[in-house]
Amino acid sequence: DVQLVESGGGVVQPGGSLRLSCAASGFMFDDYAMHWVRQTPGKGLEWVGLISGDADRTYYADSMKGRFTISRDNSRNSLYLQMNSLRAEDTALYYCAKDMGPGYSYGGAYYYYGLDVWGQGTTVTVSS
Amino acid sequence: QPVLTQPTSLSASPGASARFTCTLRSAINVGSYRIYWYQQKPGSLPRYLLRYQSDSDKQQGSGVPSRFSGSKDASTNAGLLLISGLQSEDEADYYCAIWYTSTWVFGGGTKLTVL
Repeated sequence: DVQLVESGGGVVQPGGSLRLSCAASGFMFDDYAMHWVRQTPGKGLEWVGLISGDADRTYYADSMKGRFTISRDNSRNSLYLQMNSLRAEDTALYYCAKDMGPGYSYGGAYYYYGLDVWGQGTTVTVSS
Repeated sequence: QPVLTQPTSLSASPGASARFTCTLRSAINVGSYRIYWYQQKPGSLPRYLLRYQSDSDKQQGSGVPSRFSGSKDASTNAGLLLISGLQSEDEADYYCAIWYTSTWVFGGGTKLTVL
């Protein structure tokens, strides 16, 4: 079975940094793009970003660009989210999620198949 | 104007059908996008339900019953999720999503109450 287990959440002061990890199992990790998505309690889903299966491409939501960095170690079946310059509004439950494929190129642009399996999430609280 | 707009709530009776709308910003043509739908029950993970581009390009999520289906309404520029034969267990939040300008965008979600 596909399994995604996030870790690394916690309480951090505004302006601080945190690194989240996601351990994947049950599928060929490097065959799939991976995502981070966050959710504030009682609110909706907010996509953070994704990394292609070969780690060659990363994409971010505009509000995360420049502060968040997604990486992966395919030899360890692991996904990471480095978060810097954290703000109170970054407080959320952070999920990693598997895409349904590696992505593909068409007409000069890249497309992805969509998120299908989600981890349980790890909570990040930004507070002084 | 948000990229995707969903009504905040919807209510329907057991056994009836529920129709969810996901309206794309007017400058974005629904015909050009695959619309993805996710279900999130209280205290649970999001679950992938299906994606719909056209009747010849659609996919049901693993284990998702056929009473969940997708379509589009070009006249309102909206993606649609239809649930037939509503059950109490369908009570959840439903989110649509698209891949738009190299980002994934989620709608704000619709809370379904099965009365």
